[in-house]
Amino acid sequence: RKEVEQDPGPFNVPEGATVAFNCTYSNSASQSFFWYRQDCRKEPKLLMSVYSSGNEDGRFTAQLNRASQYISLLIRDSKLSDSATYLCVVNWGGGADGLTFGKGTHLIIQP
Amino acid sequence: SQTIHQWPATLVQPVGSPLSLECTVEGTSNPNLYWYRQAAGRGLQLLFYSVGIGQISSEVPQNLSASRPQDRQFILSSKKLLLSDSGFYLCAWSVLGGYTFGSGTRLTVV
Repeated sequence: RKEVEQDPGPFNVPEGATVAFNCTYSNSASQSFFWYRQDCRKEPKLLMSVYSSGNEDGRFTAQLNRASQYISLLIRDSKLSDSATYLCVVNWGGGADGLTFGKGTHLIIQP
Repeated sequence: SQTIHQWPATLVQPVGSPLSLECTVEGTSNPNLYWYRQAAGRGLQLLFYSVGIGQISSEVPQNLSASRPQDRQFILSSKKLLLSDSGFYLCAWSVLGGYTFGSGTRLTVV
């Protein structure tokens, strides 16, 4: 069974703090991994891909641990505009059969 | 540039009525196309995907159907809506592994 699990939150974090989310996936043969951001009542948008060696994009850092089958997202110096739901996404086989989404982690940055 | 159009943005339909949601993409050829649904409190669920004209794969059994009459057009339909069909319907396209979503249709079945 293809599953992607996330802590739904909400995570209430003060502005400027660092916050991290984890996500676990069930299929060890998974090909590619992503973090998407979804604002309330909007479509998901790609935040960043997750590479085996880890990758960073400004205040955001993504890590992949294949041995333990989890990926993580770290947000440093959080901004009010970071408030959103963060979706962990896995492409199982790299083929055309779509992405599998976690239910998302809701983040609220408080002033 | 590639764009994806999805309409309508919101829809309220009575139980038992038909449904037709349309999605079109521009600026790309032979994309993989997808229909997802996000129900309240649940994650995005893949409903259908298509790798070409007339080719539809269904991921879950339901009273919905999909069609791809043209390369860049993907349609989601139902003959008779159920209350459980309410949700946020998202069309997406993919070329070379990158996925882009349309702005979605929020369907409420009453």
